[in-house]
Amino acid sequence: AQSVAQPEDQVNVAEGNPLTVKCTYSVSGNPYLFWYVQYPNRGLQFLLKYITGDNLVKGSYGFEAEFNKSQTSFHLKKPSALVSDSALYFCAVRVLGSGNTGKLIFGQGTTLQVKP
Amino acid sequence: DVKVTQSSRYLVKRTGEKVFLECVQDMDHENMFWYRQDPGLGLRLIYFSYDVKMKEKGDIPEGYSVSREKKERFSLILESASTNQTSMYLCASTGGSGREKLFFGSGTQLSVL
Repeated sequence: AQSVAQPEDQVNVAEGNPLTVKCTYSVSGNPYLFWYVQYPNRGLQFLLKYITGDNLVKGSYGFEAEFNKSQTSFHLKKPSALVSDSALYFCAVRVLGSGNTGKLIFGQGTTLQVKP
Repeated sequence: DVKVTQSSRYLVKRTGEKVFLECVQDMDHENMFWYRQDPGLGLRLIYFSYDVKMKEKGDIPEGYSVSREKKERFSLILESASTNQTSMYLCASTGGSGREKLFFGSGTQLSVL
């Protein structure tokens, strides 16, 4: 069965420091992986995706993610955190066999807290 | 930019009531989704629609039904609301060439008392 795991409920980082939000997946075949962000009282917003190609993908707001097939991970990173990055982050994987319907399985979410 | 609008931000209902949650998107997307968001559980798919009048059950369809009579509108129906359906409900849509990018509404926080 497909699954996505975010092992940390919360990540705390000081403003200006690098941040990493972890995600691991379990998928048969080649995964399509995504990161979404949810700011307070808002719906989710797309950050970035990995389909194929370069293992380092760049997305919105200066975020990037590294796909590591051997470790089945897709960690979200940013070189220098901002207080405004504080939000709830979700990792997701496309459902196998769902074609181009956009069906995703989401992780449980990680709260990122960036302190001044 | 794509807009996905959910009719209510907050809703309070009584146990046993029939509840309608409405969602409208303005980008002619084929696919629409209803997710439920609960702390520690992430997002779980309730129902999915890939065309008008077409629907497919997600992971947790029990106690819910959906309606899609027009392409832009996707309704979630709680036939008889129960307290364990208290949750945040998120609607999303996708379609066209970038169909793997979901566009979400702001959510409806439903409380069933």
